[in-house]
Amino acid sequence: AQTVTQSQPEMSVQEAETVTLSCTYDTSESDYYLFWYKQPPSRQMILVIRQEAYKQQNATENRFSVNFQKAAKSFSLKISDSQLGDAAMYFCAYRNSNSGYALNFGKGTSLLVTP
Amino acid sequence: GAVVSQHPSWVICKSGTSVKIECRSLDFQATTMFWYRQFPKQSLMLMATSNEGSKATYEQGVEKDKFLINHASLTLSTLTVTSAHPEDSSFYICSARGGVADTDTQYFGPGTRLTVL
Repeated sequence: AQTVTQSQPEMSVQEAETVTLSCTYDTSESDYYLFWYKQPPSRQMILVIRQEAYKQQNATENRFSVNFQKAAKSFSLKISDSQLGDAAMYFCAYRNSNSGYALNFGKGTSLLVTP
Repeated sequence: GAVVSQHPSWVICKSGTSVKIECRSLDFQATTMFWYRQFPKQSLMLMATSNEGSKATYEQGVEKDKFLINHASLTLSTLTVTSAHPEDSSFYICSARGGVADTDTQYFGPGTRLTVL
């Protein structure tokens, strides 16, 4: 079974600064997808960014970007110019391309943004 | 686009009663929906995968007779917690696999908080 590890239970960043959330995963597959989801206090899960394993280029969505290191099985999320609204739980998730579409989530990182 | 709704958003019930939670994809057809359970300050745990027109596939340790899932149409899946007990109190979240042009992404509903007294 694939496992997703988020080693940082909590992180803090000042407004306008940059923060990186780490995620590692374990898989024997070569084709898969990786996601970062945000869960604010409302508890609505929001897709932040996704990465296809076959793509070498790191995904970017506005202030959010990833550092995808396939060989190292690492998938970190960088948030630039942090805003107060970025405060939330962030979950890294893995999906195997060949065996269903269910997501395997990490335990999450709680991000605090200070003024 | 890709909006998923859940109803109700919260429910309180007495022990022994059954509760039904609805999950709808509002602007796309979802052949596959998922049900997750989330305890406070914990991650999402997959309970079952629901495919339209067929029986749900439950994860190991999830009682299928207790958590009845029905996916009767391409836009609606329901989770019924039968004979609910206080230990079933939790936050239940559904998600739907994206439409034709976006099948690799899951979109989540806002969740349902269940409290069993």
